[in-house]
Amino acid sequence: DVKVTQSSRYLVKRTGEKVFLECVQDMDHENMFWYRQDPGLGLRLIYFSYDVKMKEKGDIPEGYSVSREKKERFSLILESASTNQTSMYLCASKGGHNEQFFGPGTRLTVL
Amino acid sequence: QKEVEQDPGPLSVPEGAIVSLNCTYSNSAFQYFMWYRQYSRKGPELLMYTYSSGNKEDGRFTAQVDKSSKYISLFIRDSQPSDSATYLCAMSESGGSNYKLTFGKGTLLTVNP
Repeated sequence: DVKVTQSSRYLVKRTGEKVFLECVQDMDHENMFWYRQDPGLGLRLIYFSYDVKMKEKGDIPEGYSVSREKKERFSLILESASTNQTSMYLCASKGGHNEQFFGPGTRLTVL
Repeated sequence: QKEVEQDPGPLSVPEGAIVSLNCTYSNSAFQYFMWYRQYSRKGPELLMYTYSSGNKEDGRFTAQVDKSSKYISLFIRDSQPSDSATYLCAMSESGGSNYKLTFGKGTLLTVNP
């Protein structure tokens, strides 16, 4: 079974802090994704990566950056957290037929 | 017109009922179709995956794709309280760099004992 893990289930940070969210997958997938999920807005793609050190902006990249130094690990960085970044963050990796496998999610609260 | 439309519900059924969940879409280039189940405060879990048109069955779950109508369905037979969750449809174009998924916003299902 594909396993996608995320570093934290719950995080509470203060406005202006730098926040790191980590994601690790164990299936040697090339493509990895970061989404945020908000009530009424559904899943929105922040960034994705199709190879080590390669990344592309998704639909809502503003205020975020990413890092992919190793194939199995994809990090999402909030350079200066703001209250409107309070959300559920979901990492996913892509299998052989475009299906994506999600991690358990990180619920981030920015105070 | 939104690319993928999904009735948000909520949908409430008695245990044992047959549940029908649906999505419509506008992009005729979509070839891969998925259904995810998401329990409260958890990540989405891949339930079913189909390519192009047709039916696929897995236990109590059946996924149908009708590309001519741009309509996909998920049927749950003999529904159980443990099926209570939000169900998300997702789809993508085929191959190459077109591997981004487009999601519906999800249907909240409650199965009452």
